[in-house]
Amino acid sequence: QSVLTQPPSASGTPGQRVTISCSGISSNIGSNAVNWYQQLPGAAPRLLICCNDQRPSGVPDRFSGSKSGTSASLAISGLQSEDEADYFCAAWDDSLNAVLFGGGTKLTVL
Amino acid sequence: EVQLVESGGGLVQPGGSLRLSCAASGFSISDHYMDWVRQPPGKGLEWVGRTRNRAKSYTTAYAASVKGRFTISRDDSKNSVSLQMNSLKTEDTAVYYCIRVHSGTPKYFQHWGQGTLVTVSS
Repeated sequence: QSVLTQPPSASGTPGQRVTISCSGISSNIGSNAVNWYQQLPGAAPRLLICCNDQRPSGVPDRFSGSKSGTSASLAISGLQSEDEADYFCAAWDDSLNAVLFGGGTKLTVL
Repeated sequence: EVQLVESGGGLVQPGGSLRLSCAASGFSISDHYMDWVRQPPGKGLEWVGRTRNRAKSYTTAYAASVKGRFTISRDDSKNSVSLQMNSLKTEDTAVYYCIRVHSGTPKYFQHWGQGTLVTVSS
């Protein structure tokens, strides 16, 4: 399996905190930074978190990232309706010499 | 303002060829790795390949699924990148995104184009 593992779906109510996991192995997440991308409905993906835990300018501080060993997580606090989107993790794989993506997590705000 | 505009998508028969272009503005591609990522309709993202910058001798890298069939090239004088796709298969049907990669370390997909749809069907 040449993808990182994410849950296919997640959900929460407005104001809640939601986390999305991303699991890999030593040659990808274990050795390289994890980046997260958000894709709103009908739009191109955009960078959400880079370098495991860095927020680019313009990304609300409700979004945060972390990494431990061969797993990473994206946390969204104070969930808002506009956060409803697909979220993808990605990392370079040293064995495959390729960028790997997670399968994506569809976040629903109930 | 950084802009990436893809063009060249369309309908092609299995076994056929297609060339996508990506026109960049607001920065010089010579300083950056430039990647292509694709997304089949209703599915997730898949990295296609990359052309590295002048400092890395413009070397390329490809996903196993397209290696030997797809070729990424660049023309720094025109500030553009191309994706030549040969021996196309139905599973190559996807929206193809042109991406500017962050010039520092670690690498990440900093700017995305809006994408161009390629449909491989008879």
